[in-house]
Amino acid sequence: QSALTQPRSVSGSPGQSVTISCTGTSTDVGRYIYVSWYQQHPGKAPKLMIYEVTKRPSGVPDRFSGSKSGNTASLTISGLQGDDEADYYCCSHAGTYVIFGGGTKVTVL
Amino acid sequence: QLQLQESGPGLLKPSETLSLTCTVSGGSISSDSYYWAWIRQPPGKGLEWIGSIYYSGTTYYRPSLKSRVTISVDTSKNQFSLKVSSVTAADTAVYYCARELRSAPGDWGRGTLVTVSS
Repeated sequence: QSALTQPRSVSGSPGQSVTISCTGTSTDVGRYIYVSWYQQHPGKAPKLMIYEVTKRPSGVPDRFSGSKSGNTASLTISGLQGDDEADYYCCSHAGTYVIFGGGTKVTVL
Repeated sequence: QLQLQESGPGLLKPSETLSLTCTVSGGSISSDSYYWAWIRQPPGKGLEWIGSIYYSGTTYYRPSLKSRVTISVDTSKNQFSLKVSSVTAADTAVYYCARELRSAPGDWGRGTLVTVSS
């Protein structure tokens, strides 16, 4: 059960948009709507940002949005802010278990 | 507000068994629809889902860890636990417990560092 594939890093200037991809297979991301995204600041527990591909928990800004096409899910952060600088992980249901992506570091230039 | 707190030894020797407990407060571990999960993160690395349990005792495990992992639940104490046998240095990680809904861990504990070293 290899990790879902994410780019190691992405960067953008304040106010810009960045998109993080998360590529799986037809047995995880491609098969289920149960794809979620997490933000993790250094030394902190991860925070749920998106669940079921596109849904945002209460309190998460609408600058964060999710989508999916085939075996690839994506997280887009619009209007990039300094506090968005963090590691981001995707996560997918895979039948009888759950699998995370390798993580993407977002840098705000 | 739901809170989860991990507890257990922070230092183990190789071949020992890792035992952690997650105490849930502010909500019932017997809630319908929610699973209770263990997730770990080796230092400087990514997240790895270990397994989860329903209050009825139904469990799911990461296939590569299944032979060494046991997750159990104690509804009377509102706790669930993790055991990992025959640990090695590769099991050194921050271990998180979390409440999971439809495969999305939504509420997390603060995590506890477990180090395996001789």
